[in-house]
Amino acid sequence: QSALTQPASVSGSPGQSITISCTGTSSDVGSYNLVSWYQQHPGKAPKLLIYEVSKRPSGVSNRFSGSKSGNTASLTISGLQAEDEADYFCCSYAGRRVVFGGGTKLTVL
Amino acid sequence: EVQLVESGGGLVQPGGSLRLSCAASGFTFSTHWMSWVRQAPGKGLEWVANIKQDGSEKYYVDSVKGRFTISRDNAKNSLYLQMNSLRAEDTAMYYCARESGGSAWSGRDYWGQGTLVTVSS
Repeated sequence: QSALTQPASVSGSPGQSITISCTGTSSDVGSYNLVSWYQQHPGKAPKLLIYEVSKRPSGVSNRFSGSKSGNTASLTISGLQAEDEADYFCCSYAGRRVVFGGGTKLTVL
Repeated sequence: EVQLVESGGGLVQPGGSLRLSCAASGFTFSTHWMSWVRQAPGKGLEWVANIKQDGSEKYYVDSVKGRFTISRDNAKNSLYLQMNSLRAEDTAMYYCARESGGSAWSGRDYWGQGTLVTVSS
């Protein structure tokens, strides 16, 4: 069982927006602004999309945005595109260790 | 261009040992924390360990403490993971990852393609 809880799957149509939630506790997500999000296509290495809750690395589309409220972090993808179909993982600092969510499979209908 | 290339994976019997390596290029290796992250077949990501720029601080997930050792050689731009007393549940793709900025915990901004470790008799 993963430390952070994500929905197993979400789906949306091209052009729509979707949000993936990531629920932790007051020992991880709730205590630190050190939440990151990763995109992983099948057979590929993960790619950093968001770090420190809401910051985007250079080169990452502004269609990806992150936020946090209490013990829950969220990743929003706007203007869904076919290439967004992938697995998404959240991650948080948890006091001298890092914990990941179980992952969410995004299907673009 | 930042590149991380892992090597050293393979098939090993339970109780055996393996040493993974990660060759870094395209950035100043000595200025970044580095991590190992693994992914069991068909499963999610699991952080394994990280190490400070000068090697003076190391942190591990509980399940590998006492069995795995992370190290680095800044002169060779290389990261290592010594894995002893391997168990079936250690079977996974092992990724080397760079920590962003000078921080240990902000996020892993570059990843290698991984090296597969299979623990089986």
